[in-house]
Amino acid sequence: NAGVTQTPKFRVLKTGQSMTLLCAQDMNHEYMYWYRQDPGMGLRLIHYSVGEGTTAKGEVPDGYNVSRLKKQNFLLGLESAAPSQTSVYFCASSYLTGGEQFFGPGTRLTVL
Amino acid sequence: LAKTTQPISMDSYEGQEVNITCSHNNIATNDYITWYQQFPSQGPRFIIQGYKTKVTNEVASLFIPADRKSSTLSLPRVSLSDTAVYYCLVGEADKLIFGTGTRLQVFP
Repeated sequence: NAGVTQTPKFRVLKTGQSMTLLCAQDMNHEYMYWYRQDPGMGLRLIHYSVGEGTTAKGEVPDGYNVSRLKKQNFLLGLESAAPSQTSVYFCASSYLTGGEQFFGPGTRLTVL
Repeated sequence: LAKTTQPISMDSYEGQEVNITCSHNNIATNDYITWYQQFPSQGPRFIIQGYKTKVTNEVASLFIPADRKSSTLSLPRVSLSDTAVYYCLVGEADKLIFGTGTRLQVFP
């Protein structure tokens, strides 16, 4: 039982480049979330999904897109990376909305 | 959005009980209160969740008064390994706000 895994763990991009972060969970959870955490700050919700094929915007969705084609996977895309998107990105999943969230180890992204 | 307010930081010594209070004045009727712990370079980890009165598990207790406008996380006999940031959250899915949390430093 791997829980929530994230790929990659680290990435450096140049401004304008694109990339996709992959989140996978093996707990059959309906709800999945993408957060970003900047130094000394709490987590901010980017996008979330309440089930396969559904996505919704969170607190800071601009500059990001997401897809949930399979229940176990939640992808976060950056179409044109900007230095302001330098952050640590965490994925999480939960069985119920408002229920316990299980977090992945995070992806540290630097945009130069 | 149910905004929460917590102390920025707290200090304690090993073996002491630590109480972290969170204010959530505009909590909705259906909202649960959830606490998470985060170590550096790791994702948050669930500690405890409650709706009213008192909830206890193997690591912590959560006290919620009748008006539910605040809650207190109680950590009994803390150790050095409890040094972390603690977040209080209320609400569901898109209404969850982590805030900056409370940085707990435990000294030997």
